[in-house]
Amino acid sequence: EAGVAQSPRYKIIEKRQSVAFWCNPISGHATLYWYQQILGQGPKLLIQFQNNGVVDDSQLPKDRFSAERLKGVDSTLKIQPAKLEDSAVYLCASTRYGELFFGEGSRLTVL
Amino acid sequence: AQRVTQPEKLLSVFKGAPVELKCNYSYSGSPELFWYVQYSRQRLQLLLRHISRESIKGFTADLNKGETSFHLKKPFAQEEDSAMYYCALGDSGGSNYKLTFGKGTLLTVNP
Repeated sequence: EAGVAQSPRYKIIEKRQSVAFWCNPISGHATLYWYQQILGQGPKLLIQFQNNGVVDDSQLPKDRFSAERLKGVDSTLKIQPAKLEDSAVYLCASTRYGELFFGEGSRLTVL
Repeated sequence: AQRVTQPEKLLSVFKGAPVELKCNYSYSGSPELFWYVQYSRQRLQLLLRHISRESIKGFTADLNKGETSFHLKKPFAQEEDSAMYYCALGDSGGSNYKLTFGKGTLLTVNP
């Protein structure tokens, strides 16, 4: 089966610009997560979707981050405006039976 | 609040030596513990979970509720075990299933 797909793999922007990341989970996985992984740290959950509804966005900086999963399949994470501290790898994951399947991640560098 | 602590950022051993990666957790409910691994240039993937009580690639981990630990062990390390290892704690039950990750331990197995 195809894995979790993410794009772009790499993005470099200047602070105050905007960026969007896309994720397509494994077919049939209802739950989708976005994690932020800053260099030297473990993944930190930003937002969790169950189908097209938000289950947990308590750690999402809502003044600048937004995410949607309109049709309950693929999802987009947007940052606007970006700050230097947003430099990180953004991981998308979907789950079945408690196991998370991760994408390769989108590496963001904010200059 | 749930928390996962991996006290060692780096661990270096020689091939054939035993290896133990430490993980301690803080959680008020009944914990579900996992080890995820990320090999060089690969995506983050599940190594093992405590409920399965399996040995994967020679690794085992025992949940010790008294010591709130879930250390990962292998009696004879191999060079291909070199990777980043993350301990993760899962919320159990309900639809809001999510994982909290530790900061990770980089294991290097020297020839």
